Amino acid sequence: NAGVTQTPKFQVLKTGQSMTLQCAQDMNHNSMYWYRQDPGMGLRLIYYSASEGTTDKGEVPNGYNVSRLNKREFSLRLESAAPSQTSVYFCASSEVDGLWVSNQPQHFGDGTRLSIL
Amino acid sequence: GESVGLHLPTLSVQEGDNSIINCAYSNSASDYFIWYKQESGKGPQFIIDIRSNMDKRQGQRVTVLLNKTVKHLSLQIAATQPGDSAVYFCAEVRRGTYKYIFGTGTRLKVLA
Repeated sequence: NAGVTQTPKFQVLKTGQSMTLQCAQDMNHNSMYWYRQDPGMGLRLIYYSASEGTTDKGEVPNGYNVSRLNKREFSLRLESAAPSQTSVYFCASSEVDGLWVSNQPQHFGDGTRLSIL
Repeated sequence: GESVGLHLPTLSVQEGDNSIINCAYSNSASDYFIWYKQESGKGPQFIIDIRSNMDKRQGQRVTVLLNKTVKHLSLQIAATQPGDSAVYFCAEVRRGTYKYIFGTGTRLKVLA
């Protein structure tokens, strides 16, 4: 009954370091998303994957890359971390048809709290 | 611009009372709406959703009301409990898009 699992839960990086945030879902959802959550702001979409084999940019993609490894897993990579990327990162998944006609709720993991010094 | 806003940033209610959390959405083309609960240190948790062909939907102790005329959404929590203390935010979704637009949230504090 895990739902969406994110690792690690916490991470501290130095400016310029790289790292990959991992996300896996066990609900057999087609679509997966990466968001960042900053104080006083709503969740902002970084990248999404409508289905296995596809990825697209969201609202704030600069400085990030993603990989949809398979249907279950969707990773987010910071190639050269910057202090502006200090945030809480959430992965989500949802079931959606190919034309986004019948949207369903997104289900979220518990986040990765990332600090960049 | 595109936004999903909330009228009250903090709402304090007595335990046992009913809570009402409000949300205004900006685009009349939005046809799907979701309420989430987020506890400290946790991810957003789905509470209830509603589609634009409905104006009311009930769950366990929660009711969502949708007023398309004034583009307003509300979440009603009956008999509020200490475990309901959290940040609540709404999201709007437009048919035919991947884009879920999330509000900034209202903090609900339950007073003993």
